[in-house]
Amino acid sequence: YELTQPPSVSVSPGQTARIICSGEKLGEKYTSWYQQKPGRSPLLVIYQDNKRPSRVPERFSASNSGDTVTLTISGTQATDEADYYCQAWDNSAFWVFGGGTKLTVL
Amino acid sequence: EVQLVESGGGLVKPGGSLRLSCAASGFDFSTYGMNWVRQAPGKGLEWVSSISVNRSYIYYAKSVKGRFTISRDNAKNSVDLQMNSLRAEDTALYYCVREVGGLKKYSWFDPWGQGTLVTVSS
Repeated sequence: YELTQPPSVSVSPGQTARIICSGEKLGEKYTSWYQQKPGRSPLLVIYQDNKRPSRVPERFSASNSGDTVTLTISGTQATDEADYYCQAWDNSAFWVFGGGTKLTVL
Repeated sequence: EVQLVESGGGLVKPGGSLRLSCAASGFDFSTYGMNWVRQAPGKGLEWVSSISVNRSYIYYAKSVKGRFTISRDNAKNSVDLQMNSLRAEDTALYYCVREVGGLKKYSWFDPWGQGTLVTVSS
């Protein structure tokens, strides 16, 4: 089982960034998203498709439909620049991560 | 504060062995599944292994199955990863991660340790 993400996404400050993760019947699975800044450990930003830990800003949200899930960052800030990974459980492949998307805020 | 601290990384020759340890604190360790995830230099995240609360369910990535063994000691709040027959492609930063949420398909990883670096080179 594989999760596919675009290698990179660029967004201007204050605009909306959307990062897509795709996989077969991914919409039927629960997806998590992790943010990783250079030299840091990954940090959970979304779990169970669209739930946000209390420490994560409200501008982070996610949705899923069919074979894709989308992480949306509204009003993107420079501090949101990072790598983002999607993750899901598959009964055959077990835990699977997407290849990661580098978000550039410029 | 929930904390995961990995140790045991280092430089090892191809074919060699290494044992990683993760010390957990700040939560009831015996009620959470635990995982190891690795990240090769400049690459993405790769899940390595998972162990359930009572060791009944253990999973491995295909890339390490038969070479790596995960274990846990609930009395000591620790989870280990024994790595044998190491290869150059096992070179990575290895993270210890807590699994939250119960059933696998509903779960997520939080928090992540700071990682311990394993380098396999002659």
